[in-house]
Amino acid sequence: RKEVEQDPGPFNVPEGATVAFNCTYSNSASQSFFWYRQDCRKEPKLLMSVYSSGNEDGRFTAQLNRASQYISLLIRDSKLSDSATYLCVVNTDKLIFGTGTRLQVFP
Amino acid sequence: DTGVSQNPRHKITKRGQNVTFRCDPISEHNRLYWYRQTLGQGPEFLTYFQNEAQLEKSRLLSDRFSAERPKGSFSTLEIQRTEQGDSAMYLCASSPGLAGVSETQYFGPGTRLLVL
Repeated sequence: RKEVEQDPGPFNVPEGATVAFNCTYSNSASQSFFWYRQDCRKEPKLLMSVYSSGNEDGRFTAQLNRASQYISLLIRDSKLSDSATYLCVVNTDKLIFGTGTRLQVFP
Repeated sequence: DTGVSQNPRHKITKRGQNVTFRCDPISEHNRLYWYRQTLGQGPEFLTYFQNEAQLEKSRLLSDRFSAERPKGSFSTLEIQRTEQGDSAMYLCASSPGLAGVSETQYFGPGTRLLVL
């Protein structure tokens, strides 16, 4: 079993749609959690950290459920520019990445 | 540009050749990480340094791979006797190294290696 599991997608959604990504992790000792965004042939860039209380940054909302070892990312009012791969990341003493979920937003 | 830089950006080599990649972290970042990413996968941890000390190496880092950070600033990753399976994007990241495991890591643009 992979340490971090994500649905690889792709998710094809129209502009304005709400899309949710889910992720599970296996190491209960994981200490911090992130969502990274990676554009095609580019490096990953931090989208947001994920906290147990849930956190929001504009159209993006991240949630963490430590008991279920589950992380989510919600994107509201999708834009064409949101098209990318979204990587779920768990930090023990190093970053463990999921395989990423590809999102394609179409007009 | 004060971000993480990596050189070269692309490298094509023949099987059996040695290659070396360089990473320059963000100035004053104490931690430096190397990752490898193959098509359709997320980045996989290879090794990391706290200043000049190499603190952890993944099992992915075979004895053909060696990484150094001699003065605690830039780092090099060398692959000896390259194999086709080494073809991947090699990513470097850095973090301040002051706040423990929750720190944000900043990635460089990567070096894309193709072994023919």
